[in-house]
Amino acid sequence: AQSVTQLGSHVSVSEGALVLLRCNYSSSVPPYLFWYVQYPNQGLQLLLKYTSAATLVKGINGFEAEFKKSETSFHLTKPSAHMSDAAEYFCVWGDFGNQFYFGTGTSLTVIP
Amino acid sequence: NAGVTQTPKFQVLKTGQSMTLQCAQDMNHEYMSWYRQDPGMGLRLIHYSVGAGITDQGEVPNGYNVSRSTTEDFPLRLLSAAPSQTSVYFCASATRATEQYFGPGTRLTVT
Repeated sequence: AQSVTQLGSHVSVSEGALVLLRCNYSSSVPPYLFWYVQYPNQGLQLLLKYTSAATLVKGINGFEAEFKKSETSFHLTKPSAHMSDAAEYFCVWGDFGNQFYFGTGTSLTVIP
Repeated sequence: NAGVTQTPKFQVLKTGQSMTLQCAQDMNHEYMSWYRQDPGMGLRLIHYSVGAGITDQGEVPNGYNVSRSTTEDFPLRLLSAAPSQTSVYFCASATRATEQYFGPGTRLTVT
């Protein structure tokens, strides 16, 4: 089975600072990779997705992620954190429409 | 276009009771899935379906049943609820060409 590892279950950043959420996957097959965000007491919303086109993927709300095959990584970044970015973030390895493998999530806190 | 809908939003059950969590989608997606979310464990796949009449087990299927009689609906049944099934349940749908779309979730407490 595939696995996804998110380093750091909790990350705190100051407002305006760089956001970096780490994700590594284990797969010998070219993956589809996603980042989802979950705001408190809400469902999951797609931030961005990698589907083997450009390795640098831009998403909503100023987030982006870079697919690095040599490092089996798909880290999520945002240049400047906003208070509204406080949420749970999930890295997901997936086969389109079929089974998704979720990381355990990273809770992002933004300090004013 | 309502997307993926789930009912109920909240439910409290006693140990041993049965219930069905409803999930429906109006996007004509062939793939549908059920996940449970527990603190520190991400989302884990319970059951999934690749089309009407076809279902399969995911990572944590024990204690749950599903059926898929129509493209739109994918109910999840708990036959005899246990406290270990206290969780938040999410339904999702997709096509072969899209990511998964998630419903708002059902928060279940088993006492």
